[in-house]
Amino acid sequence: AQSVTQLDSQVPVFEEAPVELRCNYSSSVSVYLFWYVQYPNQGLQLLLKYLSGSTLVKGINGFEAEFNKSQTSFHLRKPSVHISDTAEYFCAVTSLSPSNTGKLIFGQGTTLQVKP
Amino acid sequence: DSGVTQTPKHLITATGQRVTLRCSPRSGDLSVYWYQQSLDQGLQFLIHYYNGEERAKGNILERFSAQQFPDLHSELNLSSLELGDSALYFCASSVTGLVVTGELFFGEGSRLTVL
Repeated sequence: AQSVTQLDSQVPVFEEAPVELRCNYSSSVSVYLFWYVQYPNQGLQLLLKYLSGSTLVKGINGFEAEFNKSQTSFHLRKPSVHISDTAEYFCAVTSLSPSNTGKLIFGQGTTLQVKP
Repeated sequence: DSGVTQTPKHLITATGQRVTLRCSPRSGDLSVYWYQQSLDQGLQFLIHYYNGEERAKGNILERFSAQQFPDLHSELNLSSLELGDSALYFCASSVTGLVVTGELFFGEGSRLTVL
């Protein structure tokens, strides 16, 4: 079984500052990792995903994440945030094991609060 | 706009009642997933349907049931409602049955309040 832990429930940051949202996962099999964003009163939207290949993954809106297998982490980063980045961010994991087909396991979410 | 449509957007009902939530996936998507989002449990996977067949089940209570119809829309039925069922219910769709081969597209959710 897989699980995801997002280490920070809230991350306040000033506009134009860099930010890192931390995500650790647990799995006994190879995993595939995702970051989703949820803006207020909206559904979730995919930011980026890691399936294989380069461990540094670039996504939309200037976000990137690095897959670290030894640390079992998939932290999300942005070098300079905007007010519009204020949202809830979810890390998610899945695998190719038959019991997990079609199922994304989500972390508890991290609220990014960008202050002017 | 993700292309996934959920109705109703808001629903208020009483304990013991039954409600049906409806989801229309994006055009061409064969998979529908249901998730429950609550403050204490976070985002919990409920069930996955692919082209009309149940593919995977998560933490779905026996009081809850779902189905996917031939036109690929899906309904989530919640019965004998309890206060703890109050949550935001999301539907998501994808082209394939394997989430790893494509992203999930989420609807805006149906907010259920049980009084």
